[in-house]
Amino acid sequence: DVKVTQSSRYLVKRTGEKVFLECVQDMDHENMFWYRQDPGLGLRLIYFSYDVKMKEKGDIPEGYSVSREKKERFSLILESASTNQTSMYLCASRELGAVETQYFGPGTRLLVL
Amino acid sequence: SQKIEQNSEALNIQEGKTATLTCNYTNYSPAYLQWYRQDPGRGPVFLLLIRENEKEKRKERLKVTFDTTLKQSLFHITASQPADSATYLCALLSRDMRFGAGTRLTVKP
Repeated sequence: DVKVTQSSRYLVKRTGEKVFLECVQDMDHENMFWYRQDPGLGLRLIYFSYDVKMKEKGDIPEGYSVSREKKERFSLILESASTNQTSMYLCASRELGAVETQYFGPGTRLLVL
Repeated sequence: SQKIEQNSEALNIQEGKTATLTCNYTNYSPAYLQWYRQDPGRGPVFLLLIRENEKEKRKERLKVTFDTTLKQSLFHITASQPADSATYLCALLSRDMRFGAGTRLTVKP
């Protein structure tokens, strides 16, 4: 059974804190993605990675960075959290060249006070 | 600019009827289009994929159409059940994947 796990389901942080969101997949997938989901806006792509140590910006990368040191792990970093980064964050993975499915984690609901 | 629009934020129908959800896009040339189901507090789950050279795809009570001329996909759930109540997302796949905002479907008994 395929699995994408995210380090926390709920997180509360203060403005200005550095925040790490971790995502791990056990399917040996090359592609990994970070999205945020907000009411009325759907899922918006923040960053994605096609390989270890490789990253590409999505639609809304400002205020975020990512790290992919190992194939199975893709981390999203909020360098200095702000209240407008309060959102649901979803990680996903997909096998290189596979189009049938993209597997999502359960999401992390982040509240920045 | 690129846009993916799903016809409405919410759709309410009676059990047993067919639900039809719409996904329109502009300034994309996707090779594939996917539909996902998302339940509250959970990540989206893949349902169906349709390729640009396919007109229609079926899976049990689900049917998807893809019209690249109209730049539109229709997603149908026949003989709907209260358990079908969820948010349904369309996604366009080329090099990466872009999603619509979703339609929240409620099937009333």
